[in-house]
Amino acid sequence: AQTVTQSQPEMSVQEAETVTLSCTYDTSESDYYLFWYKQPPSRQMILVIRQEAYKQQNATENRFSVNFQKAAKSFSLKISDSQLGDAAMYFCAYRSPLTQGGSEKLVFGKGTKLTVNP
Amino acid sequence: DTAVSQTPKYLVTQMGNDKSIKCEQNLGHDTMYWYKQDSKKFLKIMFSYNNKELIINETVPNRFSPKSPDKAHLNLHINSLELGDSAVYFCASSGDAYEQYFGPGTRLTVT
Repeated sequence: AQTVTQSQPEMSVQEAETVTLSCTYDTSESDYYLFWYKQPPSRQMILVIRQEAYKQQNATENRFSVNFQKAAKSFSLKISDSQLGDAAMYFCAYRSPLTQGGSEKLVFGKGTKLTVNP
Repeated sequence: DTAVSQTPKYLVTQMGNDKSIKCEQNLGHDTMYWYKQDSKKFLKIMFSYNNKELIINETVPNRFSPKSPDKAHLNLHINSLELGDSAVYFCASSGDAYEQYFGPGTRLTVT
């Protein structure tokens, strides 16, 4: 079974600075998908960024980028120019490839609580 | 327009009662899910349905019964509620792509 580990329960960053959240995972599959979700105090789960394992290029979305190291099974999230609105729980998630006629669950890490200091 | 909606957003009830949470998606997706987020914020899959067919049932007590009347709706009925059922329940959906879109969550409190 796949597992996802986020080793940093809490992180803090100064506004406008850069912070990196760590995520490692364990799988025997060669093709899969990885995600970072953000959960602000409103509790809405918001997709931040996604990465397909077959793509070597790291995904980027505006101020958010990932460092995907497939051999090391590592998927870290970098937030540049941190803003107060970035304060939230961040969850790393793993998804197996789709199977025919089926659905694949997300396996989540335990989350990292990010505080942004003004 | 809300993509994935859940009702109610908050639910407070007593032990032993039966309650339902409703979920609707207007994204045209074939697959819907229920996740449970416990008091420590850990998210775990409970069920998934693909085009009204149950696909995933993750060791959930049989007091929990999902029902999908059509592929746009997935409801969760819980019988004989227990204190340990207190959590936030999220509905999600996915289509041909691999992303899952989440509803706003339902905070269930059992007293």
